Amino acid sequence: LAKTTQPISMDSYEGQEVNITCSHNNIATNDYITWYQQFPSQGPRFIIQGYKTKVTNEVASLFIPADRKSSTLSLPRVSLSDTAVYYCLVGGNNQGGKLIFGQGTELSVKP
Amino acid sequence: NAGVTQTPKFRILKIGQSMTLQCAQDMNHNYMYWYRQDPGMGLKLIYYSVGAGITDKGEVPNGYNVSRSTTEDFPLRLELAAPSQTSVYFCASSVPGTGGTEAFFGQGTRLTVV
Repeated sequence: LAKTTQPISMDSYEGQEVNITCSHNNIATNDYITWYQQFPSQGPRFIIQGYKTKVTNEVASLFIPADRKSSTLSLPRVSLSDTAVYYCLVGGNNQGGKLIFGQGTELSVKP
Repeated sequence: NAGVTQTPKFRILKIGQSMTLQCAQDMNHNYMYWYRQDPGMGLKLIYYSVGAGITDKGEVPNGYNVSRSTTEDFPLRLELAAPSQTSVYFCASSVPGTGGTEAFFGQGTRLTVV
């Protein structure tokens, strides 16, 4: 399983763009990069997934460089409601269904 | 679709008691998972299953048991509850397409052992 490293916490202000970077130096060829969001007292929610280059959806963008050893989750113009813990996961069919979460990044958005 | 449904939402157990946490999904997902999350911490994988009749240990399986007799249900059994099992338990399900990495979670069961 590829180990991931991300900042423990980040602070931001409303309206700013937030970028959370995740390092995954030993990512395997078949691994996908997946990000989840978790609000207090709720289960995590899938927000975006990618394999290479850039992926964008209505919630976020995911930037993946050519070597795939890191990835950056970008949240445009955050609001107070984006305060949550964000988890980066790396894995795929190599893990036979085993889904391991790391420590996550606690994002605090201030007014 | 109801998604992933967990019952009960809250439970208080006495030390030494047993209970089963229920998890059901109606999305016909092959993969199912049980996690625990202690206050202020990340999720730890307890057990997972890639299909009916197949289960495997995760990171913290001691003190728990699971079974998967149907695609829809994945109950988690706690035998001889201990205070260290006080936690929030999340069940999740996913499809194998990207190795199960796009998972859907239930709302959790908050368990207190006293």
